Amino acid sequence: DSGVTQTPKHLITATGQRVTLRCSPRSGDLSVYWYQQSLDQGLQFLIQYYNGEERAKGNILERFSAQQFPDLHSELNLSSLELGDSALYFCASSAQGAYQPQHFGDGTRLSIL
Amino acid sequence: GESVGLHLPTLSVQEGDNSIINCAYSNSASDYFIWYKQESGKGPQFIIDIRSNMDKRQGQRVTVLLNKTVKHLSLQIAATQPGDSAVYFCAESYNDYKLSFGAGTTVTVRA
Repeated sequence: DSGVTQTPKHLITATGQRVTLRCSPRSGDLSVYWYQQSLDQGLQFLIQYYNGEERAKGNILERFSAQQFPDLHSELNLSSLELGDSALYFCASSAQGAYQPQHFGDGTRLSIL
Repeated sequence: GESVGLHLPTLSVQEGDNSIINCAYSNSASDYFIWYKQESGKGPQFIIDIRSNMDKRQGQRVTVLLNKTVKHLSLQIAATQPGDSAVYFCAESYNDYKLSFGAGTTVTVRA
């Protein structure tokens, strides 16, 4: 158990809809990262938050947004969903300080019908 | 043991043998590297990490080797067990934020 909790485990929805994925980092971790894992693209970095503020952006679509709340949990919002958004979405967290490994949750599997 | 000189997507290993998983990374400026293990239905699980100022690091049954000259990383697993069957990813990081992941190697342990 990594200590990172993601909910829900599975989401099934339709094209055009909006969903919210939730992540609780390990106790004490200030950094939260979101990744997308698909069969054709592998694991891709989306966005990072540190102590409530956006720190880095990767290959995140404009239809996607995220935030980190004062209690450090994070949410990833996906809107105007398309078939190609079907993937596993992982959250990771890391401790403060340089060269700290990221620890991953077990992901949310999003299926767009 | 079994080893792979170049990255291959799959590796079949006899139980009890040593296995070596290879990874080529892309950014010569990367200064931090991590190996992850991912089992079906689970997220990537941290195995071992290494900074660019080192060329070898050992953990419990695992060793990571880093060759910066050729941008190559390897993971050695000693006495491979059935529970080691999984997909293994190397990941690189520069300036300490996002991880860039390799394509992954599926390891299957034969009884």
